[in-house]
Amino acid sequence: EAGVAQSPRYKIIEKRQSVAFWCNPISGHATLYWYQQILGQGPKLLIQFQNNGVVDDSQLPKDRFSAERLKGVDSTLKIQPAKLEDSAVYLCASRTPGQGRNTQYFGPGTRLTVL
Amino acid sequence: GESVGLHLPTLSVQEGDNSIINCAYSNSASDYFIWYKQESGKGPQFIIDIRSNMDKRQGQRVTVLLNKTVKHLSLQIAATQPGDSAVYFCAEAGGTSYGKLTFGQGTILTVHP
Repeated sequence: EAGVAQSPRYKIIEKRQSVAFWCNPISGHATLYWYQQILGQGPKLLIQFQNNGVVDDSQLPKDRFSAERLKGVDSTLKIQPAKLEDSAVYLCASRTPGQGRNTQYFGPGTRLTVL
Repeated sequence: GESVGLHLPTLSVQEGDNSIINCAYSNSASDYFIWYKQESGKGPQFIIDIRSNMDKRQGQRVTVLLNKTVKHLSLQIAATQPGDSAVYFCAEAGGTSYGKLTFGQGTILTVHP
């Protein structure tokens, strides 16, 4: 079974520029998550989708971050404009209810550096 | 605010020793706990989980212990191997936030051959 795919793996941009990340979850996984992981910290949930609907985006900085999952499969996370403090690894995870309450499978992440 | 934290940020052991990684949580409504392993440049990898109606669960070379009285979680790794070197995170899901995981800061485990 293929895992969660993410691209790009690395991205370097200057502050105030825009950037987008892509995630392809495990086939059949209805629930998709985006996390932000700052160096030395645990992942922090940004947004959770159930199919193509948003379940929780309470910790998403909506003035600059946006995410979509239009067809309930792939998802994109966008930052516009980026700030220095957005430098982090952005992780995508997916889950299907049949695998237990919260067995989330993570992708390799996209490491973003904002200069 | 509510949080999940770790007592020791780093742990260094010799190959073959047993390792114990600790985690404290503060949300009394938490009813599901997970340990993840994260190697450099990779996403977190599920190790083992435990529900709040249990106090112990065993996997292959790993055991998770849950003490709800003191809100403490631990991960025991038997016969630690160099391949176990990674950052270990505990995470919790609360009873009112189905699906939402809150991660602790992490413990760096280094295994010396």
